[in-house]
Amino acid sequence: EAGVAQSPRYKIIEKRQSVAFWCNPISGHATLYWYQQILGQGPKLLIQFQNNGVVDDSQLPKDRFSAERLKGVDSTLKIQPAKLEDSAVYLCASSPGAGEGTQYFGPGTRLTVT
Amino acid sequence: GQQVMQIPQYQHVQEGEDFTTYCNSSTTLSNIQWYKQRPGGHPVFLIQLVKSGEVKKQKRLTFQFGEAKKNSSLHITATQTTDVGTYFCAVGPDGSARQLTFGSGTQLTVLP
Repeated sequence: EAGVAQSPRYKIIEKRQSVAFWCNPISGHATLYWYQQILGQGPKLLIQFQNNGVVDDSQLPKDRFSAERLKGVDSTLKIQPAKLEDSAVYLCASSPGAGEGTQYFGPGTRLTVT
Repeated sequence: GQQVMQIPQYQHVQEGEDFTTYCNSSTTLSNIQWYKQRPGGHPVFLIQLVKSGEVKKQKRLTFQFGEAKKNSSLHITATQTTDVGTYFCAVGPDGSARQLTFGSGTQLTVLP
């Protein structure tokens, strides 16, 4: 079974630039999550989708971050404009059910904002 | 969402020694999950605990959920260099909070 795919794996941008990350979850998984993991910390949930609907985006900085999962499969997370403090690894995860049980993580995208 | 405190933040052990990390909450937890993240890698699910006082074992790993469901521990017996990584506890969704909230993690270093 193929795992969660993410691209790119690494990205370096200057502050105030824009960036987008892509995630393809495990086939058939209804729930998709985006996490931000700052170095030395645990992952922090940014947004959770159930199929193509948003379940929880309470910790998403909506003034600069946006995410979509239009067809209920793959998803895109965008940051516009980026700030220095956005430097982190952005992890995508998926799970079969409605926000319960095991979450399967992708390899992540390491973002460096200079 | 629910908050969890995880200790210690770092632990260095000699290969063959035991290791324990603890996860504590001020509120009753519906369930708790444990993940392992290797250096440069992504979190990998280890186990989920749901019942009060539950104990589960995976080879050299023993997971416990407290009787009051406010704390949990992960114990590794006779550590090996392959155990190196950061171990996170994560509080699972319940009726009111659907997000998975991660602890800050315990970074384990195993010295050969």
